[in-house]
Amino acid sequence: GENVEQHPSTLSVQEGDSAVIKCTYSDSASNYFPWYKQELGKRPQLIIDIRSNVGEKKDQRIAVTLNKTAKHFSLHITETQPEDSAVYFCAASNGNNRLAFGKGNQVVVIP
Amino acid sequence: DVKVTQSSRYLVKRTGEKVFLECVQDMDHENMFWYRQDPGLGLRLIYFSYDVKMKEKGDIPEGYSVSREKKERFSLILESASTNQTSMYLCASSNSGRLYNEQFFGPGTRLTVL
Repeated sequence: GENVEQHPSTLSVQEGDSAVIKCTYSDSASNYFPWYKQELGKRPQLIIDIRSNVGEKKDQRIAVTLNKTAKHFSLHITETQPEDSAVYFCAASNGNNRLAFGKGNQVVVIP
Repeated sequence: DVKVTQSSRYLVKRTGEKVFLECVQDMDHENMFWYRQDPGLGLRLIYFSYDVKMKEKGDIPEGYSVSREKKERFSLILESASTNQTSMYLCASSNSGRLYNEQFFGPGTRLTVL
């Protein structure tokens, strides 16, 4: 089955700086890559996703890039703010309605 | 607005007890999922259901069973709870009408088995 790995496990950034989280996947058939954000004590929520037919997608301060050849995709957060502090999960799917999640990254934004 | 609810936020049970975790969604989603979340291990899929009375094993089904008698309700059953099943349990649902489908999560049930 699909194996998704996230790096680094914990990331601390100064407020206003950028944060980048990278994920790798193993199944070349995977074609959908969402990112979920989980704030402390809350449920995971989808923040952005990308399909395999595009290389980059942006939504305000967040963006996701995909490199199908290398089988990795990354989440970029610019101008980080305290409310960006959370655990971020990447996931991959080959269209079978199931998601394989990574283990999560704890992002800490230091004011 | 999709709403996924779980029957309990916190649950404490004794080893050997039979435990039922209930999940209800109100958006007529075909797919429902049970995950287990442990620190450093992320979200691991226990069971998945794509229709009433249909189920598929996930990555860690051992020690668990599920029931889906109605489309909106998906139950996770621990036949004989053990201490290593102490965890946060998250339910999710998604629509199967499109190829790529957002999963909507419930608030989670933190289960402690003593």
